[in-house]
Amino acid sequence: QKEVEQNSGPLSVPEGAIASLNCTYSDRGSQSFFWYRQYSGKSPELIMSIYSNGDKEDGRFTAQLNKASQYVSLLIRDSQPSDSATYLCAVNLRTGAQKLVFGQGTRLTINP
Amino acid sequence: EAQVTQNPRYLITVTGKKLTVTCSQNMNHEYMSWYRQDPGLGLRQIYYSMNVEVTDKGDVPEGYKVSRKEKRNFPLILESPSPNQTSLYFCASSLAWQGSTEAFFGQGTRLTVV
Repeated sequence: QKEVEQNSGPLSVPEGAIASLNCTYSDRGSQSFFWYRQYSGKSPELIMSIYSNGDKEDGRFTAQLNKASQYVSLLIRDSQPSDSATYLCAVNLRTGAQKLVFGQGTRLTINP
Repeated sequence: EAQVTQNPRYLITVTGKKLTVTCSQNMNHEYMSWYRQDPGLGLRQIYYSMNVEVTDKGDVPEGYKVSRKEKRNFPLILESPSPNQTSLYFCASSLAWQGSTEAFFGQGTRLTVV
């Protein structure tokens, strides 16, 4: 089992709809969870971080964390073409040396 | 402007010719790391450094070396590059490694080894 798993997509969503991105992780002791956005050929940039169970909202973005199910998700409301990118889930694993582990990323396309 | 700067952005080299990719950050961050990104595999950590003169292997360290002689710089060295090291490389830094701080990434270096 991979330490952090995402559906690689591609995920295609019509403009204005809600895009839902999912991520599961293997280390039950993980404490910190991040979503990065990466445009093609560019570096990843942080868009959301979440540390406790429940929802965290920032503008059109909502991160959801369920530690019991080892599941973290990102919702993008009112999707825009500019949201088309690869979204990387990253988890701070606490087993052994602490490290930030990335999923393989989900490629999201917003169709006008 | 707070940033992580990598050089070069693009590099084509031949097998066995030593090369260095530089990374510098101006945010006084303690923690720095190198990742490679390959299609379908996501970002994989090569090496990381928790402070000056403190470095350790990540998940894919074979064929790479690093050094951290100054807080701001963290060069990645390929002593004898091979074609399987063709990849997109990112340097990243963060304030501290408590696992809860944002990682800032450099612009990336696209390396091709022929």
